[in-house]
Amino acid sequence: LAKTTQPISMDSYEGQEVNITCSHNNIATNDYITWYQQFPSQGPRFIIQGYKTKVTNEVASLFIPADRKSSTLSLPRVSLSDTAVYYCLVGELIYRRNRDDKIIFGKGTRLHILP
Amino acid sequence: DADVTQTPRNRITKTGKRIMLECSQTKGHDRMYWYRQDPGLGLRLIYYSFDVKDINKGEISDGYSVSRQAQAKFSLSLESAIPNQTALYFCATSDDTGQVYGYTFGSGTRLTVV
Repeated sequence: LAKTTQPISMDSYEGQEVNITCSHNNIATNDYITWYQQFPSQGPRFIIQGYKTKVTNEVASLFIPADRKSSTLSLPRVSLSDTAVYYCLVGELIYRRNRDDKIIFGKGTRLHILP
Repeated sequence: DADVTQTPRNRITKTGKRIMLECSQTKGHDRMYWYRQDPGLGLRLIYYSFDVKDINKGEISDGYSVSRQAQAKFSLSLESAIPNQTALYFCATSDDTGQVYGYTFGSGTRLTVV
């Protein structure tokens, strides 16, 4: 499984765009990049997933350069309610019955939005 | 109703006691997982199950056991609880089709061992 590195914490202000970068230098050809969000005392929830270039949904955008060794989660115009821990995960699609097919959550990035 | 339900939500138990945390899901997923979360350590995988007859150890399985009673139910047991098992425990599910939407987590069980 590809190891990921992301900042431990970040602060930002309401209304700003926030970019959280994740490094995954040994990403494999079949690996996808997935981001999860976790609010205090809740389980993580899926935000966005991508393989290359750019993916956008109603919550965020995910930018992946051509070499795929890093990715950037972009949250537009954040609000106080975006304060959470954000996890970057890298791994294969979960459709294969592979004993090693499990995703490991790291420590994530603790994002604190200030008023 | 929640897709993944964990019971109890909170539990305080004494050292040496046996305790079971339960998880049930209505998503129809084959795969289920138990994670543990400690402050500053992120989520760590305890056990996972790909179907009723397929159970596997994760990163930190020592001191824990699991039972997959049915596709929808996956229980985690602490045979003899110890204080360093105090943590927030999460159950999660995922399917094994070509979908890419990942994991669905429960709301967690906060366990305190005194």
